[in-house]
Amino acid sequence: KQEVTQIPAALSVPEGENLVLNCSFTDSAIYNLQWFRQDPGKGLTSLLLIQSSQREQTSGRLNASLDKSSGRSTLYIAASQPGDSATYLCAVPGAGSYQLTFGKGTKLSVIP
Amino acid sequence: NAGVMQNPRHLVRRRGQEARLRCSPMKGHSHVYWYRQLPEEGLKFMVYLQKENIIDESGMPKERFSAEFPKEGPSILRIQQVVRGDSAAYFCASSPLAGGSQETQYFGPGTRLLVL
Repeated sequence: KQEVTQIPAALSVPEGENLVLNCSFTDSAIYNLQWFRQDPGKGLTSLLLIQSSQREQTSGRLNASLDKSSGRSTLYIAASQPGDSATYLCAVPGAGSYQLTFGKGTKLSVIP
Repeated sequence: NAGVMQNPRHLVRRRGQEARLRCSPMKGHSHVYWYRQLPEEGLKFMVYLQKENIIDESGMPKERFSAEFPKEGPSILRIQQVVRGDSAAYFCASSPLAGGSQETQYFGPGTRLLVL
């Protein structure tokens, strides 16, 4: 059974800092890995999707890496801004490939 | 192109009542997924539907919960005789093709169910 763990559970940084969020998964036989952003009281916004054949994806100030063999992914956020404050979720497809298995998330606070 | 729509956004029910949660997928999407997020927990898969068919309901409790996605209209997640433990955020997602290796799922804003 796939399990996804995200560390740390919460993170507070001053504006402008670069930061790394971590995600680990137990079953390395995955098709892809996604990073989502969840704002309080709102839905999920897909940030990056990395295919299993890729090692990283970039979108603006975000860079996600994937190491299937070690069961790890990182989300790097450069030059953090207060608007980046949100909960970041990592998810991988599980059984049937369409069932996303989520971590509990990392709650990020960027202090102005 | 509107995103995934869910209503109501907030729903309050007393124990024993029924809760009906609606989800309209993005235009052109025929695959719908329901997830539940309990307090302090990650999102958990409940059910996957295509038009008029339940493909996988392995994550849905066997009793009191049902889901449908009719030919016309939104997908409905129905919870009968709600209990306090059903209080959670229920998210719907949709995709144009079967989610998996290539397709991302697009999520709605969720319905926050509170059972008193």
